[in-house]
Amino acid sequence: DTAVSQTPKYLVTQMGNDKSIKCEQNLGHDTMYWYKQDSKKFLKIMFSYNNKELIINETVPNRFSPKSPDKAHLNLHINSLELGDSAVYFCASSQDPPSYEQYFGPGTRLTVT
Amino acid sequence: DQQVKQNSPSLSVQEGRISILNCDYTNSMFDYFLWYKKYPAEGPTFLISISSIKDKNEDGRFTVFLNKSAKHLSLHIVPSQPGDSAVYFCAGGTSYGKLTFGQGTILTVHP
Repeated sequence: DTAVSQTPKYLVTQMGNDKSIKCEQNLGHDTMYWYKQDSKKFLKIMFSYNNKELIINETVPNRFSPKSPDKAHLNLHINSLELGDSAVYFCASSQDPPSYEQYFGPGTRLTVT
Repeated sequence: DQQVKQNSPSLSVQEGRISILNCDYTNSMFDYFLWYKKYPAEGPTFLISISSIKDKNEDGRFTVFLNKSAKHLSLHIVPSQPGDSAVYFCAGGTSYGKLTFGQGTILTVHP
């Protein structure tokens, strides 16, 4: 049973396109996160949602919009993709209150050409 | 601003010996420090944590040490096993579960 799943695993697209990455967790957690791992391998938090409410919103271009239809899902929509958006994106979840012990998905490798 | 730094990109150790992974930080507001382990094509997995008010936490073969005055933490793995070969990330945690990660150290344990 996959605890935190992401689709797709790989995503190759052209500049200017709009794409979405889906995340689902079956752990019953109330808090979900999106992280970006850039080319220098740093994992940086982008957003977190607690019970469908935005908690953390780091300095991320507004082309990135998280959407939480329910507390088990946190999708990431990216508009007008740029070359610099190429990275691995990880979804994570944790118990409530938001916890440092976070369960990560396998990642989505996004390549923008 | 790189608040968490892992200055050794890689570490190679013989099976059965001790592995010591190091991490330095600059943000005095971290409440917790954590180590995550990552295998290729998988997400990071939580390994061990330590509160900022403690100086040591132990869990089986894994021990984390925190030196607040030096703003330094380390992870000791004893004895090291080939299955420990992975990328290890240290992280500092502040409010609402916000984690700030270092860039990782690749540990290779040779049989």
